[in-house]
Amino acid sequence: EAGVTQFPSHSVIEKGQTVTLRCDPISGHDNLYWYRRVMGKEIKFLLHFVKESKQDESGMPNNRFLAERTGGTYSTLKVQPAELEDSGVYFCASSQDLTTQYFGPGTRLLVL
Amino acid sequence: ILNVEQSPQSLHVQEGDSTNFTCSFPSSNFYALHWYRWETAKSPEALFVMTLNGDEKKKGRISATLNTKEGYSYLYIKGSQPEDSATYLCASETGANNLFFGTGTRLTVIP
Repeated sequence: EAGVTQFPSHSVIEKGQTVTLRCDPISGHDNLYWYRRVMGKEIKFLLHFVKESKQDESGMPNNRFLAERTGGTYSTLKVQPAELEDSGVYFCASSQDLTTQYFGPGTRLLVL
Repeated sequence: ILNVEQSPQSLHVQEGDSTNFTCSFPSSNFYALHWYRWETAKSPEALFVMTLNGDEKKKGRISATLNTKEGYSYLYIKGSQPEDSATYLCASETGANNLFFGTGTRLTVIP
């Protein structure tokens, strides 16, 4: 069974540009989560989808971040415009039954 | 926001030694405690999910215990091997199903 995949693995952009991250959850998992780890700090929750609906987006830092999950399959997280403090590792996770969350390898974003 | 703390921040052990580290979390609104093993550039690997006070789980040479009343969990590794080198993350889950992570314990096993 394929795990959670994320694309791209790395992204380097300039301040003010736009970046879109993609997450493909494990097939059949209705729950999809986005997390972020800023350098040296803990992994922090961003938001939680159940199918295509946003169950909880309390962790989204500001309105420069937009997450979508059209059709309830893959999800995208867009940062527009990117700021220096957005640099970090963006993780996606999925779960079937609200127990174990399976993580992807992350997208390493560097904003210059 | 939950304050989840892990200690030590990092440690080095010799191959064959056993080791353990701690995760402390707020005991109020507790739902579950998760342990992950994370090697940089790879996916964090789920080790255990524990919910009941007094729970003890084991996976090969790795085991974990849970005390929900006092808000701590221990992770034990018996007979450490170089391939155990990784960052071990714990996360507390509330009823909202979101994970609140600690900063991790970075383990290095020296051959």
